[in-house]
Amino acid sequence: DVKVTQSSRYLVKRTGEKVFLECVQDMDHENMFWYRQDPGLGLRLIYFSYDVKMKEKGDIPEGYSVSREKKERFSLILESASTNQTSMYLCASSFSQGIGNTIYFGEGSWLTVV
Amino acid sequence: QKEVEQNSGPLSVPEGAIASLNCTYSDRGSQSFFWYRQYSGKSPELIMSIYSNGDKEDGRFTAQLNKASQYVSLLIRDSQPSDSATYLCAGIRLQGAQKLVFGQGTRLTINP
Repeated sequence: DVKVTQSSRYLVKRTGEKVFLECVQDMDHENMFWYRQDPGLGLRLIYFSYDVKMKEKGDIPEGYSVSREKKERFSLILESASTNQTSMYLCASSFSQGIGNTIYFGEGSWLTVV
Repeated sequence: QKEVEQNSGPLSVPEGAIASLNCTYSDRGSQSFFWYRQYSGKSPELIMSIYSNGDKEDGRFTAQLNKASQYVSLLIRDSQPSDSATYLCAGIRLQGAQKLVFGQGTRLTINP
């Protein structure tokens, strides 16, 4: 089975802190994604990566950065956390070739910024 | 206009009836579509994918795609209380960067 692992499930951080959310996948997927999910807004794409060291902005990249130094690992960084970044963050991965490639999600990371 | 739109609901259906979930999309470049189910506090899990016009059936679930009308639907037959969840529709382009775009989700409640 495909496994996408988000190392931190529940975090509480203070405003202004630098926050790292880590994601690891074990299926050699080329594509990796970070979404955030808020009530009534669905899943919104923050950043995605289609290869090591490659990244593209999603729909809401402001206040976030990402790092992909190894194929299996994709990190989301909040440079200076703010209360409006309190949310659930979902990491996902998929193969890049073929039609209808399934995207697999991690369990989610619940971040509260106080 | 959002790229993928769903009625947020809530949608209430009696147990044993057919639940019908609908989704429209604006990007004609989208070629594959997915239905995910998400229970409260959990991550989305894939129910079905569809990329050809017509119907695709898997057990109690049928996905329908109409590319001319830019419309995707999910039918759940013989609805069970365990089907109560939020259902997310998503579309993806296959050219260029393959980002998956989600609708806001429809909350479905099956009433015993």
